[in-house]
Amino acid sequence: GAVVSQHPSWVICKSGTSVKIECRSLDFQATTMFWYRQFPKQSLMLMATSNEGSKATYEQGVEKDKFLINHASLTLSTLTVTSAHPEDSSFYICSASPVAGVLRNQETQYFGPGTRLLVL
Amino acid sequence: AQSVTQLGSHVSVSEGALVLLRCNYSSSVPPYLFWYVQYPNQGLQLLLKYTSAATLVKGINGFEAEFKKSETSFHLTKPSAHMSDAAEYFCAVSEAGGGADGLTFGKGTHLIIQP
Repeated sequence: GAVVSQHPSWVICKSGTSVKIECRSLDFQATTMFWYRQFPKQSLMLMATSNEGSKATYEQGVEKDKFLINHASLTLSTLTVTSAHPEDSSFYICSASPVAGVLRNQETQYFGPGTRLLVL
Repeated sequence: AQSVTQLGSHVSVSEGALVLLRCNYSSSVPPYLFWYVQYPNQGLQLLLKYTSAATLVKGINGFEAEFKKSETSFHLTKPSAHMSDAAEYFCAVSEAGGGADGLTFGKGTHLIIQP
């Protein structure tokens, strides 16, 4: 149990275009989903926290108008990179925190496999 | 504010030798601490976590970590390294529980296993 998927797993796009990344909790409902960014050979940095049905909370230095997050249901959150530029090329990883229940008591967030974005 | 320091960006050990990956944290409240492993081009897999229960935490794949409050440390160990342990390891901290807020990660330690 506790599987999180991301789609696509990798994407190449032209500079100036927008890219949408989906994060789904496959076998549980997620109260909260997190989006992280990882540059090559670096650590994960939290970008934003999204709660179902409410606006996302962005970390300092993350442009909310550039990285649009939608958490429309308890199993799906999307990250849209708008007007992507080469410096946005990175590995984007989402994680999901279960709603109350057995999984919630484990105090863990479950990570997706990541989406590699390359902007040309 | 919370932070994590992982000493050594690269650690190399021989197969069968002890693995020790160091992690020190800073937190204003009793922390929740985690170790994750990341294989190339993959997401993160939880190895183990400390949530204020036993200070010695056992995880998957033979790994364990000990929480030492006096040293603000949460070092990861494994008695005998295996080739399949070669990966990137991240220590992370949370002040509100692993599910309630985003994690703060260390910079990672690349574990190299020599045959």
